[in-house]
Amino acid sequence: AQSVSQHNHHVILSEAASLELGCNYSYGGTVNLFWYVQYPGQHLQLLLKYFSGDPLVKGIKGFEAEFIKSKFSFNLRKPSVQWSDTAEYFCAVGANNAGNMLTFGGGTRLMVKP
Amino acid sequence: EPEVTQTPSHQVTQMGQEVILRCVPISNHLYFYWYRQILGQKVEFLVSFYNNEISEKSEIFDDQFSVERPDGSNFTLKIRSTKLEDSAMYFCASSVHLNTEAFFGQGTRLTVV
Repeated sequence: AQSVSQHNHHVILSEAASLELGCNYSYGGTVNLFWYVQYPGQHLQLLLKYFSGDPLVKGIKGFEAEFIKSKFSFNLRKPSVQWSDTAEYFCAVGANNAGNMLTFGGGTRLMVKP
Repeated sequence: EPEVTQTPSHQVTQMGQEVILRCVPISNHLYFYWYRQILGQKVEFLVSFYNNEISEKSEIFDDQFSVERPDGSNFTLKIRSTKLEDSAMYFCASSVHLNTEAFFGQGTRLTVV
C-alpha cells in the first residue's frame, strides 16, 4: 500500500523567506506526483505535477518541486514566499496505472507573516 | 475557467438518514472521483468512476456508499444510513483521462448528528 508523509505540519515564515516543504512516499512502482494547495475557504487547486521526464517541475505562482527517485521524495520549494501563499499544501501520489486514485499526505499549513 | 461544482456546501443530517451529495464535473471529463477528509485527518480516496461504472474503490467505500451518474452532468454520492463517523468534508473531482490531473470541487461538509 502507498503512504505519503509530510513532515512539517505547520510552518510559519516571514515574507520573502524561502520555502521548502518535504514530501516522502512509499510505493514500489512508477508513480505520478502532485502538490495541491488549498487557500482558506477554497477548493484544492493543483500547483504542479510530475508524471515523467525532467524531475524538476515548475508549477504556478513560482513554485517548483524536485522528484528524487532514490529518496522517494518530491519536495516543494519557492524561493521567496508572499503573504498570499498562506494556505494548506498537500502532497499526493498516484500509482502510474491507477491515475487519480491518489494517496494524500497529511498536509502542511503554511502561514506567511507580512 | 471550467470548474467542478458541489452542492450543498454544508449538509446536516440525523444519524441513520440517507444523504445524497451532488457534483457536476467538468463537462469534457471522463473520470470522476469522490474523496473525503475527516476533520484533522488526511484526504482519503473513496471511489473512482468511469464509463458508468466503478473503476476503483477503497476499503472505506463499503455497502452503505453508492455512486451514480444519473444524467449527462451530475455525479452523486449516496450514503444510505449515515453514522456519526461519516461526518467529514467530501470532495468530488474529475479528470479528462486516467493519468491527467484531477480538478477538485469546493467540497460538501457533512455533519451527522
